[in-house]
Amino acid sequence: KQEVTQIPAALSVPEGENLVLNCSFTDSAIYNLQWFRQDPGKGLTSLLLIQSSQREQTSGRLNASLDKSSGRSTLYIAASQPGDSATYLCAVGDYGQNFVFGPGTRLSVLP
Amino acid sequence: DAGVIQSPRHEVTEMGQEVTLRCKPISGHNSLFWYRQTMMRGLELLIYFNNNVPIDDSGMPEDRFSAKMPNASFSTLKIQPSEPRDSAVYFCASSRSGGSNEKLFFGSGTQLSVL
Repeated sequence: KQEVTQIPAALSVPEGENLVLNCSFTDSAIYNLQWFRQDPGKGLTSLLLIQSSQREQTSGRLNASLDKSSGRSTLYIAASQPGDSATYLCAVGDYGQNFVFGPGTRLSVLP
Repeated sequence: DAGVIQSPRHEVTEMGQEVTLRCKPISGHNSLFWYRQTMMRGLELLIYFNNNVPIDDSGMPEDRFSAKMPNASFSTLKIQPSEPRDSAVYFCASSRSGGSNEKLFFGSGTQLSVL
């Protein structure tokens, strides 16, 4: 059974810092991996999706990497802003059309 | 596009009552997912449909839970009878093909409180 963990559980940084969020999964036989953002009281918004054949994806200040063999993914946020404050979840997609979600990292970017 | 629409946003009910949650997926998406989110267990998949057909309902916790998708633009999740431990945020999500190749689009969720 796939298990997904995220470290750290919470992170607080000053505005302008570059930061890295980590995601680990136990079964490397994945189809893809997706990073989501969740704002308080709202649903999840997909940020980046990395296919299993890819190593990374970029969107603006966000860069996500995937290392299947080691069961890890990282989300890099450059030049963080207060508007980036949210909970970030990674989700691992399997071949059965299902995503297993991690518990999330709660990010606070202080002005 | 209006996105995935869920109703109601909040539901407060008493134990033993029937609860019905509703979802309208994004037009053109043929896969629909129901998730439940709690502090203790995080985000869990309850059931998903592909082309209106339930594909995997192994996440449905008990027979008290049932889900239907009578057409491509509407789905319901029903709890009967409801219990306090059902209190959670219930999310509906849709995707274009349902495969793990496609991004998931989530609704805003229904906050359910069972007293």
